[in-house]
Amino acid sequence: DGGITQSPKYLFRKEGQNVTLSCEQNLNHDAMYWYRQDPGQGLRLIYYSQIVNDFQKGDIAEGYSVSREKKESFPLTVTSAQKNPTAFYLCASSIAGGTYEQYFGPGTRLTVT
Amino acid sequence: ELKVEQNPLFLSMQEGKNYTIYCNYSTTSDRLYWYRQDPGKSLESLFVLLSNGAVKQEGRLMASLDTKARLSTLHITAAVHDLSATYFCAVISNSNSGYALNFGKGTSLLVTP
Repeated sequence: DGGITQSPKYLFRKEGQNVTLSCEQNLNHDAMYWYRQDPGQGLRLIYYSQIVNDFQKGDIAEGYSVSREKKESFPLTVTSAQKNPTAFYLCASSIAGGTYEQYFGPGTRLTVT
Repeated sequence: ELKVEQNPLFLSMQEGKNYTIYCNYSTTSDRLYWYRQDPGKSLESLFVLLSNGAVKQEGRLMASLDTKARLSTLHITAAVHDLSATYFCAVISNSNSGYALNFGKGTSLLVTP
């Protein structure tokens, strides 16, 4: 089955700790994205990558970092510099062209106390 | 900056009734997407609208796009409880964000008996 997986589903961390969220896709998509969702809000773009070994900041990149060493994988690190990290994090991927339709993973709910 | 506005943000409707959700966006785009989100879950793609005048229907939902008015509508016909969810519209901003999506805040729909 093709799709996007994210792990873990729930993550709890103490303030001051870095944490890495996993995103893997087997859809052979070139482009991958990380979004953040807060209660009652739409999704906001954190980082995106259109090709391996290249990525760009989105609207709210401060306090986050990413890597894209493999086409299938786009992990997101939430650093201690992120002031309000508690949120629902969604990873998506798309073909670079055509409809540009994005397919979303199941999400990771991060709680920092 | 591309802005996407949905209204209403909250909608409570009776089963069997019809209603329309509106999505306005601020800059030129010919790609608009509708997603559904159930509580605590990820986003499910409903419709991809790629040109002016595009109309798509799936069951009790019908989406349309007017690129000249920068307006998309999601029409609900004879609502049933299973349609209760949050609906997001999203528009691609292809200027300098890798074809990432710009989301509205979502319309939270509750269908009651």
